[in-house]
Amino acid sequence: DIQMTQSPSSLSAFVGDSVTITCRASQGINNYLAWFQQKPGKAPKSLISAASSLQSGVSSKFSGSGSGTDFTLTINSLQPEDFGTYYCQQYNSLPWTFGPGTKVDLK
Amino acid sequence: EVQLVESGGVVVQPGGSLRLSCAASGFTFEDYSMHWVRQFPGKGLEWVSVISWDGSDTHYTDSVRGRFTISRDNGKNSLFLQMNSLSSDDTALYYCVKQMAETAGNSFDYWGQGTLVTVSS
Repeated sequence: DIQMTQSPSSLSAFVGDSVTITCRASQGINNYLAWFQQKPGKAPKSLISAASSLQSGVSSKFSGSGSGTDFTLTINSLQPEDFGTYYCQQYNSLPWTFGPGTKVDLK
Repeated sequence: EVQLVESGGVVVQPGGSLRLSCAASGFTFEDYSMHWVRQFPGKGLEWVSVISWDGSDTHYTDSVRGRFTISRDNGKNSLFLQMNSLSSDDTALYYCVKQMAETAGNSFDYWGQGTLVTVSS
């Protein structure tokens, strides 16, 4: 199975800050990498697929990049509604696997 | 509007069985592969199973293979997960998730709200 790691595991930021989350796969996954946002008590929401393609309706403040094994999610101008936990996921090969998550909270 | 509504989650004893359902609406259900993903109490996410648009192809994560069976009824726009020989390790919130497109190389786009399965004596 492909193992996914994320860093940092948590971060604190001010409203208006920009933050970057890193995701690494244990082997190459081409660009088959998705990002999800989850708020407390809610289901995950799909943000990005194919490493950098925004899902329909997702704000352009979110951007993704990378290929192979190393990927990043950047969130610009953080707003209160952006706080939550972010997960990456590879769908290059079964079983699809998720990273452990990065919790973004208010400083 | 795409909606995925799971049901069937309850408290069940170890060794017991359970059938989860997912009612889909707002899209042409028979055109898409569908997945089950679970989230453990510690918040980790685990992909569980996938079924192709016509039900002819299914896959499972190792920990549930042989115990869980995914199925669908395209006439009723419904997805199912039959869960047997349950253990405490299966305690989780189970999500029904739609794949973006039927072809390989497509991730998820829509998630249901989840149904909670608790395995406890």
